[in-house]
Amino acid sequence: GNSVTQMEGPVTLSEEAFLTINCTYTATGYPSLFWYVQYPGEGLQLLLKATKADDKGSNKGFEATYRKETTSFHLEKGSVQVSDSAVYFCALSDRDGANNLFFGTGTRLTVIP
Amino acid sequence: DTAVSQTPKYLVTQMGNDKSIKCEQNLGHDTMYWYKQDSKKFLKIMFSYNNKELIINETVPNRFSPKSPDKAHLNLHINSLELGDSAVYFCASSQGSGSGEYGYTFGSGTRLTVV
Repeated sequence: GNSVTQMEGPVTLSEEAFLTINCTYTATGYPSLFWYVQYPGEGLQLLLKATKADDKGSNKGFEATYRKETTSFHLEKGSVQVSDSAVYFCALSDRDGANNLFFGTGTRLTVIP
Repeated sequence: DTAVSQTPKYLVTQMGNDKSIKCEQNLGHDTMYWYKQDSKKFLKIMFSYNNKELIINETVPNRFSPKSPDKAHLNLHINSLELGDSAVYFCASSQGSGSGEYGYTFGSGTRLTVV
């Protein structure tokens, strides 16, 4: 079956610290992988995506590389800001199946000044 | 120009009532979805629907029913509301018959509180 496992939060970092949020997946076939971000009181926004092995998705200073050999898609940012405080969701798309989006449990990030 | 809009944003109602949440997308997408987010932020898909097929998550009680008057709308009707239905409900849409390479576009959510 399809599933996504994210590191449990919450994660609290000081401004300008390095961020890593781990994500591993289990899938049949060759999924697309996504990171979504949910700011307080808002819906989910697509942050970045990768559609095949070794692709790197990037946006707003965040990066994640699709690693087929380790079935991982870890989210990284070199220097976080207070405005990055949000809940981050890793997700996969089962392209060979019903094309639904499967989400991880979310990781809450708080960045303090 | 909101891409996926949901109304209402907040809904407080008593147990046993019947309520609806509306969703509209102006992206020309073919497939729409409803997700439930619980208090721990866990997201669970409830329905996916395009003009050909309704796929229901088998764990969703039959008190919940999607209604699609046209391709741009997918409303969620809930009968006989229960306390456990309290959650944030998100509507989403995608191109084609699934998320493929593009992912979903989400609405801003409807916070339902059953008292």
